[in-house]
Amino acid sequence: RKEVEQDPGPFNVPEGATVAFNCTYSNSASQSFFWYRQDCRKEPKLLMSVYSSGNEDGRFTAQLNRASQYISLLIRDSKLSDSATYLCVVNRGGTSYGKLTFGQGTILTVHP
Amino acid sequence: GAVVSQHPSRVICKSGTSVKIECRSLDFQATTMFWYRQFPKQSLMLMATSNEGSKATYEQGVEKDKFLINHASLTLSTLTVTSAHPEDSSFYICSGTESTDTQYFGPGTRLTVL
Repeated sequence: RKEVEQDPGPFNVPEGATVAFNCTYSNSASQSFFWYRQDCRKEPKLLMSVYSSGNEDGRFTAQLNRASQYISLLIRDSKLSDSATYLCVVNRGGTSYGKLTFGQGTILTVHP
Repeated sequence: GAVVSQHPSRVICKSGTSVKIECRSLDFQATTMFWYRQFPKQSLMLMATSNEGSKATYEQGVEKDKFLINHASLTLSTLTVTSAHPEDSSFYICSGTESTDTQYFGPGTRLTVL
């Protein structure tokens, strides 16, 4: 089983749509969770951290369920500029704290 | 956010040559730097972790004699791909951190080995 597993995608949605991405992780020692976005041939950029209580940043909402080892990202009112690959990222925790494990990414394309 | 630079951004070399990639933290002191690589259509894979002034620790399956990492100062780490072969062609990305939670990524170096 992969350490971090995401929806395979790709997602192709119209502008204004709501889209949700799911992610599961296998290491119960993981302590920090993130969503990054990566544009084609660029480095990943932090979108938001994910907290146990859930958190929102504008049109983006992230949820974490530690018991199920499940993370989600909801994007409301999609914009063309949201088109990118979304990466679910987990800090390994324990003696490997600080080391990030990236999911394989889910490609989102928002069309007019 | 903090800024990390990488140089060069792109390099093409012949098989058998060595290539050095620099990673610099421009406005913070990176006590720890990480090196990743990303093959086409795949996600980032951690190669090694380096702490300033000490030897790098490598992930399983990454050859330490092939990928030499030096982290001589709090603002500079280098990755040298020795005797590069076509299968080493990849996107190499570094990140730096002051604490262990937030990593700042460099723009990446695209290596093509002919």
